Amino acid sequence: SQQGEEDPQALSIQEGENATMNCSYKTSINNLQWYRQNSGRGLVHLILIRSNEREKHSGRLRVTLDTSKKSSSLLITASRAADTASYFCATSSPGGSYIPTFGRGTSLIVHP
Amino acid sequence: EAQVTQNPRYLITVTGKKLTVTCSQNMNHEYMSWYRQDPGLGLRQIYYSMNVEVTDKGDVPEGYKVSRKEKRNFPLILESPSPNQTSLYFCASSAGQGLGGYTFGSGTRLTVV
Repeated sequence: SQQGEEDPQALSIQEGENATMNCSYKTSINNLQWYRQNSGRGLVHLILIRSNEREKHSGRLRVTLDTSKKSSSLLITASRAADTASYFCATSSPGGSYIPTFGRGTSLIVHP
Repeated sequence: EAQVTQNPRYLITVTGKKLTVTCSQNMNHEYMSWYRQDPGLGLRQIYYSMNVEVTDKGDVPEGYKVSRKEKRNFPLILESPSPNQTSLYFCASSAGQGLGGYTFGSGTRLTVV
C-alpha cells in the first residue's frame, strides 16, 4: 500500500531559489520522514517529524506537518546544484509494522 | 563507519537460477527491510523484519524469501527469478519506531534475462 504521495512529480528551479515539495498521506501516522536519493544510489535520511510536531528545521531544510490535512511539506532554501535529486516522503503508522512506506518521489533539478 | 552493506552491486542472471542478495548492518539495528525500486512506481516494500526470527511480508512479497537468523544480516532470496524481478533493490535498517530514520544500502541492480 502506497501511503505518502509527493507533489509535484518534478520540479525545475534556478540555483538560489527555494524549492517546496509536498507530501499527502491517507491514514494517521506516528511520524513522517523525508529522504533524498541521488540518481541510482541509496536513499539518505534527511529529517523525521513526529505526529505531535508541527515544524522542524535542519540547516537549509524546513519541514512542516499538518495532521488535520494529512500533509507535509519540505522546503529547501537557497537551493544549490548539488540539491538535484529525488525526494521521498515516508510514513510510519500506528498499529502497523512501523516500517515506513514510501511515495513515488519528487524529482528536483536545480540549474546552476 | 555505520553502514548497510549490500552485495552484489550488480547482478545479471538467467530465469530460474536461484540467487541471494546479502545485506548486513553494523549498527545493531532491530528493524530491517527490503525494497525494490522501479521507474514510475517508487519504492515498494518486499519484506521486513522487526527482530531476529521475526519477518513479515510487505506489499510485493511474491517470488521472494528472507531470513533473519542474526541481527546484523537480512538476506533476500529469489528461489526462481523471473524477468519481472529485474529491478533496483535496497536494504535498509533502523534502530526502531521513531528512533531516527532508515539507513539504506547502496543498492543491487538485478537483471533477469
